[in-house]
Amino acid sequence: EIVMTQSPATLSVSPGERATLSCRASQSVSSNLAWYQQKPGQAPRLLIYGASTRATGIPARFSGSGSGTEFTLTISSLQSEDFAVYYCQQYNNWPPRITFGQGTRLEIK
Amino acid sequence: EVQLVESGGVVVQPGGSLRLSCAASGFTFDDYAMHWVRQAPGKGLEWVSLISWDGGSTYYADSVKGRFTISRDNSKNSLYLQMNSLRAEDTALYYCAKGPERSSWHQIGNNWFDPWGQGTLVTVSS
Repeated sequence: EIVMTQSPATLSVSPGERATLSCRASQSVSSNLAWYQQKPGQAPRLLIYGASTRATGIPARFSGSGSGTEFTLTISSLQSEDFAVYYCQQYNNWPPRITFGQGTRLEIK
Repeated sequence: EVQLVESGGVVVQPGGSLRLSCAASGFTFDDYAMHWVRQAPGKGLEWVSLISWDGGSTYYADSVKGRFTISRDNSKNSLYLQMNSLRAEDTALYYCAKGPERSSWHQIGNNWFDPWGQGTLVTVSS
């Protein structure tokens, strides 16, 4: 099983500042990585797939980068609605053995 | 607008059975593979199962293999999850999610989840 490790567990950032979230895979997942945002009481929402492609309707302040085992989600200028939990997910296996990171909580500083 | 609405979650005793449903609308249901993903209370996300667009192929996480069965009825735009031999550790919010389209569903590099339903809560407790 590919283990996904996110860091930090909690990130405190002020509105308007940049946030950088990391995700590391225990083995290469190529660019087969997605990022999701989850707000309290809501379902996750797809932000990024293919490591760097923004999903439909996702603002340009969200960007993804990386390949292989190291990935980053960057939020360029935090808005109040961006404070949430973020998960990475790899989908590099067939048959599927899909795994998620444990999440990073982005909180207001 | 794509909509996924789960139902069927209840409190069930250990060893019991339950069937979850997911009603889909706003897209051509039989053009897409579908997933179930779960989230234990206060915890992270765990992929559960995938079914092909035609229902002919199914895949499961090791944690549920042999106990859960995914199925679909394309004539009813519905996805199902039959859950047997339930355990306390199956307690979770169960989401259905739209997967890849039929032309590429079986390929590496397509299995992200978009969108998700709002989930249905399954509690396994005596």
